[in-house]
Amino acid sequence: EAQVTQNPRYLITVTGKKLTVTCSQNMNHEYMSWYRQDPGLGLRQIYYSMNVEVTDKGDVPEGYKVSRKEKRNFPLILESPSPNQTSLYFCASSPLLAGGTGELFFGEGSRLTVL
Amino acid sequence: AQSVTQPDIHITVSEGASLELRCNYSYGATPYLFWYVQSPGQGLQLLLKYFSGDTLVQGIKGFEAEFKRSQSSFNLRKPSVHWSDAAEYFCAVVPSGGSYIPTFGRGTSLIVHP
Repeated sequence: EAQVTQNPRYLITVTGKKLTVTCSQNMNHEYMSWYRQDPGLGLRQIYYSMNVEVTDKGDVPEGYKVSRKEKRNFPLILESPSPNQTSLYFCASSPLLAGGTGELFFGEGSRLTVL
Repeated sequence: AQSVTQPDIHITVSEGASLELRCNYSYGATPYLFWYVQSPGQGLQLLLKYFSGDTLVQGIKGFEAEFKRSQSSFNLRKPSVHWSDAAEYFCAVVPSGGSYIPTFGRGTSLIVHP
């Protein structure tokens, strides 16, 4: 089954404790992206990647890191989480427009709480 | 910079009533246009998309949307809403040329009364 898998789905952590949210897709998509969703603010892009070893900042990259060592994986790293990073996070992937439909495929989300 | 506006934060309708969710975009050329739905506790799922051609597009779950170039709009419609349609709806645009970076509206929350 074609899917984007995020882990963990739920996490409660404390300020400053490094954490990684994993994202994996099995559709051989070039494009992957991370979003955070907050009430009243909609979806805001954190980082995106056009292909392996190619990443770029989105609208709200501060406090986050990403890497794209393999095509299927795009982990989101919070080196020193703070309470303002409490949010619902989504990973998404897509074939690039030239070869695909432009549709984004989303994971089910990871709800992170930083105390 | 491109932008997407969904002017309605919440919309309440009765089951069986018709629905229209508004989406306006600001972009120099006609972008690619999408509507996604987020059911409670779920990720986003594509409802429909517009690239070119017929300006009225059909999607899943009985939804349709109409692209109006003169109004820079891509409104989502459904003739008869079901209780299961209660969800968050997001409009998104993608540049028709250049880098692939989608921009999302802030979403409209649909509440359905029995």
